[in-house]
Order: sequence, then C-alpha cells, then structure tokens
Amino acid sequence: EVQLVQSGGGLVQPGGSLRLSCAASEFTFRSYAMSWVRQAPGKGLEWVSAIRGRGDGASYAESVKGRFTISRDNSKNTLYLQMNSLRGEDTAVYYCAKFGDNGEALDYWGQGTLVTVSS
Amino acid sequence: DIQMTQSPPSLSASIGDRVSITCRASQSVARYLNWYLQKPGQVPKLLIYAASSLQSGVPSRFSGSGSGTDYTLTISSLQPEDFATYYCQQSYSSPYTFGQGTRLEIK
Repeated sequence: EVQLVQSGGGLVQPGGSLRLSCAASEFTFRSYAMSWVRQAPGKGLEWVSAIRGRGDGASYAESVKGRFTISRDNSKNTLYLQMNSLRGEDTAVYYCAKFGDNGEALDYWGQGTLVTVSS
Repeated sequence: DIQMTQSPPSLSASIGDRVSITCRASQSVARYLNWYLQKPGQVPKLLIYAASSLQSGVPSRFSGSGSGTDYTLTISSLQPEDFATYYCQQSYSSPYTFGQGTRLEIK
C-alpha cells in the first residue's frame, strides 16, 4: 500500500522558515509527480505546489511564489517544501500528495502536518 | 488562473436520495476535472478523475460527467458515510485550483 509520511510542521514566528518532508514508500517514487496542498483552519483546500518525477517542472500558487520551494530527493524517496518568509495566512494543515498513473489527479495523500505562524 | 466555482455551497439530503453537485470553471478544462471527498478531521480522498473515471475502490453510486467548463458529481443513492465535504479540482493548467467545497449534510 502506498504510504506518504509527513514530518516537519510546528509553530514558527512571522518571517521565519520551516521545511516540511514527505517520505514515500511502496511505489516507484521517481516515476510520479508530487504536490503540496494546504487547508487553513475551517477553510477549503488550496493547491500550493507541484513537481515532476525527475525534479524539474516545479510550479507554485501565486500566494507562495518566491517564498516556498518544492524539491525532491529521489534517492531518499522524499519530497520537501521549504517555506520562507512565513506569514499568518500560511497557517494551515499541509498535505503532500501523489499524482496518479494518469498524471491528473491526486490519488494518495499524506496524513497532513500543521504549520502555525504566530508570534 | 482558472477559477473553480461549486454549487451549491451546502446541501441537505436524506439517506437514499440522489444528489448532484456542480462545478464550473472560468475557462475550459478539457475534462481535466477531479472530485474529492473529505470528512471532518480526515485526509481528502479521490473519487473521480478525468471528469468521469471512477477511482479504484470508490463505490459505483458515485459518477461524474461534463465537459468544457461545466461538470457534475452525482451520488445515486446517499449512504450515511457520504455526508462530507466535496471538492472539485482542475488539473488542466497550473495552478491546479480547487473549488470552494460543497458541504453535504443529513436532512
């Protein structure tokens, strides 16, 4: 069974940085695009970023462009999200997710990790 | 960016009812349209991809249809476990935007 295990969330002050990790197993990680999606408390889903299997072709939501960086280490089967210059509005549960064989939809999701930006 | 608008924002229905949720894109997404279900405190789950393809393991009472800018998720006979929030998402072009969600509640 595909597993995506997230780590790295927590409390950070405005302007601070945090790196999220997503460890993948039970599938050929390098063959699949991956994505980050977030959900602010009591709100809907917001797509954040995606990256192709080879690590190229990164894309971002306008709300995080220039502040967040998605990356992956295919030798470690791990996806990352480096978050800099964090703001209060970045407070959310962050999910990593795997694109399916069709390359269109997110078929497996991590358990989510809470990022709280507050002084 | 492509904007996704779901309707209704919330819906009350009874067990056994047939319900439909619609999703409209601000421009054509060429059937690159996905539907997810999320229960409170849980991780989102993929139901339908490519507008009408049922994800493996999803009950056949769920179906999707549509093309161009307009799409519909239909549940043929509501079961207790179906009461949740439903989201559409376009994967036609980045940013891969979600709709605002439709909350399905028990009447």
